[in-house]
Parts: sequence; C-alpha cells; structure tokens
Amino acid sequence: GAVVSQHPSRVICKSGTSVKIECRSLDFQATTMFWYRQFPKKSLMLMATSNEGSKATYEQGVEKDKFLINHASLTLSTLTVTSAHPEDSSFYICSASSGGAGSDTQYFGPGTRLTVL
Amino acid sequence: SQKIEQNSEALNIQEGKTATLTCNYTNYSPAYLQWYRQDPGRGPVFLLLIRENEKEKRKERLKVTFDTTLKQSLFHITASQPADSATYLCALDIGNSGNTPLVFGKGTRLSVIA
Repeated sequence: GAVVSQHPSRVICKSGTSVKIECRSLDFQATTMFWYRQFPKKSLMLMATSNEGSKATYEQGVEKDKFLINHASLTLSTLTVTSAHPEDSSFYICSASSGGAGSDTQYFGPGTRLTVL
Repeated sequence: SQKIEQNSEALNIQEGKTATLTCNYTNYSPAYLQWYRQDPGRGPVFLLLIRENEKEKRKERLKVTFDTTLKQSLFHITASQPADSATYLCALDIGNSGNTPLVFGKGTRLSVIA
C-alpha cells in the first residue's frame, strides 16, 4: 500500500521556539494532505486540510498563524508550530490522499510526538 | 451535530474468541465507512472500507458489517490473537471522497489475553 512518512518522529523543544514537521507521500502524489492532532486517550482531531499549491483550510478553533501549513509539492506538506507552548504538546499525524477516481482511502503517517517544555 | 460513537473504550477478550466492536453514528449519511488500527505512539493503519451498498466485507480474520438503517457498523476479529491488541478506530469521510477529511470515533482499545 501507499506509504506516508513523517519527520521527526519525536521532538522536544523549549517554550517559545518553533518546530517544523514534515509529511511526505513516498510512492504516490498527494493532491490533498490532512493534519490531525491527538491528545492522550482521545480521538484524532482534524486541524487543517492542505491542497497542493493553495492555502490550507483550517478547522474552527485552530489558529492559522500558530500552525503554519505549507503544501509546496505533491509529495510534501509541512506543519510549523510557531512559538510553541506546553499546551501544544501532542501527537501530530498527517494523512494523504491521491485524490484520483476511486481513491477513498487516506494513508496516515506514523505521527510526530511533540513535547514542549 | 454529527457524532460517531464506539461502544466501549476498552474490551478484553480471551485468545481464540471473536472480538466484536461497534461503531454508531448520527446525523451522517456516509457513502462508506472505514476501520483503522492504531498502536500506541503510531499513526492509524487502514484496515477495511465498506460502502453503503455493501452489507458485509471480509479480509482474512476481519469482518465488517454496515447497516445504514441502524447507522451502525460492526467490526469482528475472529480467532483473536494477542497481536491483535490495539486501538481500533472507525472513521467516516464527511465529504464521501478521499479528498475530504475523516471524522474518527474515540476508538476501542482491544486487549486479547493469552
């Protein structure tokens, strides 16, 4: 099946710094990528939808200036958590869809564990 | 508002038995429903997709049913093994295409005891 990678898998940073997370589709072109956040023992919550070459669509309550998303190519989307604070500590997961006919399935990355001290 | 509920947060079963997990939804009319497996600290892994016109779908020891009248999907693992222990998530594509986001249930944490 299709493979989606994320980098880094784990990051610890100091409060106030910015962290960039990369999401790559390795063997297919992803017209759409999604960013989710998951707190412990909670479900995945959608943060934003990212289409290649256009601005991301953010869910209600997600600050677009804090969570910067760039989808510059069909295989790469990045999420930058700016001026991170301890409450941003979470598990961030991306998924990708090829968007073609019959492409109902999304493929998820392995996730990035962010800890803000 | 739209809601997805998975019947229990945790389920413990004996090895070899069949595990049955439930997913109920309200205020949706999904064209299909998906089940994922998530291990601790990992992203979800796609297992099965069932469409509204399919009553049942099977993949090896997995079976999924989809009742659009009851607005319910059942997920079965037969001859369960300790390696099946994980959290299982049901998900609906709110736009009914791969280009729209998934809405997840909270998941059921399955523990298969040897």
